[in-house]
Amino acid sequence: SQTIHQWPATLVQPVGSPLSLECTVEGTSNPNLYWYRQAAGRGLQLLFYSVGIGQISSEVPQNLSASRPQDRQFILSSKKLLLSDSGFYLCAWSKTDSYEQYFGPGTRLTVT
Amino acid sequence: QKEVEQNSGPLSVPEGAIASLNCTYSDRGSQSFFWYRQYSGKSPELIMSIYSNGDKEDGRFTAQLNKASQYVSLLIRDSQPSDSATYLCAVKGGSNYKLTFGKGTLLTVNP
Repeated sequence: SQTIHQWPATLVQPVGSPLSLECTVEGTSNPNLYWYRQAAGRGLQLLFYSVGIGQISSEVPQNLSASRPQDRQFILSSKKLLLSDSGFYLCAWSKTDSYEQYFGPGTRLTVT
Repeated sequence: QKEVEQNSGPLSVPEGAIASLNCTYSDRGSQSFFWYRQYSGKSPELIMSIYSNGDKEDGRFTAQLNKASQYVSLLIRDSQPSDSATYLCAVKGGSNYKLTFGKGTLLTVNP
C-alpha cells in the first residue's frame, strides 16, 4: 500500500528565516505530487504540482519554491519567510492516471 | 475563476439522522468530483469520488451528482458523533490534474 510522509509535523520560524519542508511517498512509482496551504478560515490553496522529476508547475506567485529531486520526493522551500506564510502545509499525491489525491499528515508552520 | 461553493455551516444533526452536505461549482466542463473529510487539526481524507450523474453509495455515504444543475451532494445516513468534521468538496475541471476545493462545511453530530 502507499504511504505519504511529511516532516516536520510542526515548525515555528522567525520572519526572514529560510524554510524547507519535505514530503516522500512510498509504495508507488511516478506519482503526481502537490503542495497545498490551508490558512486559518480559508480553503485549500494549491501552491505547486509536479508530474515528474524536475517538472514543477507554480500556481501562486509568492516567495515559495518547490523542487522534485527524486521520483517520490517533493520539497517546499523559501529563502525568507513572511508572516503571511503561516499555515497548514499539505503534501498530496495521485496516481499518474487518476485525479484522486491523497494527503499526507501535514506540517503546521507558524511564522513569528 | 473556477469556484466551488459550500455552506460553511455549522450543520448540526442528531445522532442517527441523515446529514446532507451540498456543493455547487461554476465550471460547467468539470468531470470529476470528490468529497474529503477533515477532522480538526488533521489532514483531509478522501471518502468519495463520483464521475457520472446520479447516486453512488459506499456504506453510510451517498454522493449525488447533477451536472446540469452543477450540483454535488453528500448524504451521511445514521450519522454518528465520529462523523463530526469539516467536509470538503473538490472538483476537477480542465485538462490538468488540479482540483479546486470548497472551503468546507463543518458538521456536528450531537449524541
